[in-house]
Amino acid sequence: QQQVKQSPQSLIVQKGGIPIINCAYENTAFDYFPWYQQFPGKGPALLIAIRPDVSEKKEGRFTISFNKSAKQFSLHIMDSQPGDSATYFCAASGPSSASKIIFGSGTRLSIRP
Amino acid sequence: NAGVTQTPKFRILKIGQSMTLQCTQDMNHNYMYWYRQDPGMGLKLIYYSVGAGITDKGEVPNGYNVSRSTTEDFPLRLELAAPSQTSVYFCASSYSAASGSETQYFGPGTRLLVL
Repeated sequence: QQQVKQSPQSLIVQKGGIPIINCAYENTAFDYFPWYQQFPGKGPALLIAIRPDVSEKKEGRFTISFNKSAKQFSLHIMDSQPGDSATYFCAASGPSSASKIIFGSGTRLSIRP
Repeated sequence: NAGVTQTPKFRILKIGQSMTLQCTQDMNHNYMYWYRQDPGMGLKLIYYSVGAGITDKGEVPNGYNVSRSTTEDFPLRLELAAPSQTSVYFCASSYSAASGSETQYFGPGTRLLVL
């Protein structure tokens, strides 16, 4: 119930392509779905986040699509660049006294020039 | 602001040794967290704190201890290091998590190798 399942584990895309990373959850109490980006040797950093009352959120080249009925959400990166190469984590959290974030297992994305 | 800082960056321990991973934040955040990151396994919560003097267990607390005597500091203690504790450890903080939507800010991590 507390898991967030993420796929694929790794992804290689040519520059300009649109990588898509998918996540699924089971706990319907989750109400906040952030994506974190992690570069090698660095800590994760918040990239974009969505709440279940909207089906899509865009920030620059990054878009989250959210399907509440299917309990799935995905990250799309438009016009991907080599600088987007990183590990991406989806996550979920719900209303609680500490809102512990449940992270997916991560997707290692490589954008080839 | 330096944000979240962690020391050391890298450490090698022998089995049975103990050590403390240091974490400090200068953002006056109430909430602090310790995670471990293993290859292909995402981030697992070890312990968290909602304020000075208050700590609680996360998903994988065995073999670790924490304390929170000040708002700024949240050290993680390994008492008897085991090879299974070889990992990268991240400290994070957030202003408050009452709404469930506060961003967590991560430190640069401590890489620990137990031999």
